[in-house]
Amino acid sequence: EVQLVESGGGLVQPGRSLRLSCAASGFSFGDYAMYWVRQAPGKGLEWVSGISWNSVYKVYADSVRGRFTISRDNAGNSLYLQMNSLRVEDTALYFCAKQESNWEFDNWGQGTLVTVSS
Amino acid sequence: QSALTQPASVSGSPGQSITISCTGTSNDVGGYNYVSWYQQHPGKAPKLIIYNVSNRPSGVSNRFSGSKSGNTASLTISGLQPEDEADYYCTSHAGSSTYVFGTGTKVTVL
Repeated sequence: EVQLVESGGGLVQPGRSLRLSCAASGFSFGDYAMYWVRQAPGKGLEWVSGISWNSVYKVYADSVRGRFTISRDNAGNSLYLQMNSLRVEDTALYFCAKQESNWEFDNWGQGTLVTVSS
Repeated sequence: QSALTQPASVSGSPGQSITISCTGTSNDVGGYNYVSWYQQHPGKAPKLIIYNVSNRPSGVSNRFSGSKSGNTASLTISGLQPEDEADYYCTSHAGSSTYVFGTGTKVTVL
């Protein structure tokens, strides 16, 4: 059974940093691209960042480019999101998601909540 | 990149069929057959219900079906059931490994 478990969320002041992790199990992690998708409280889904299976390709939404960095450790079956210069508008539940071959997200974690507030 | 446009809410009685539209541009929905749909119950993670415009993952009810015409994709739920009450989101590949999500639709079963 595929499992994705996010961690690292919490309350942080504007301008500070936070690092999210996603522990994967139940599939060959190193074979799949992985993404972060977020959902602000009471709002819709927004894709944040993605990384290819071999870390060669990394993509970012305009709203986070230059502030967030995605990375992965295939040996440790883990995905990361380093978030710097956090803003109030980054407050959201952050999901990691496994990308399948037809660009769909077939498995999602339960999310980790990031709250940016002074 | 602007979000795909979905109706904010759609409702129907048990047993009825409803359709949710998802309108984008030729740079996303109209340019690729990589439209997928997700169901999200309150407090839960999204669940994939349609991929590649019209394909259902294993285990998803055949009451869910998808289609696309031009820049608009659609999700139809047939034989509406109480457990179908949830939020639904479309998403499309938008080139260069990027995505665009829909604004979301709240489905209410009357």
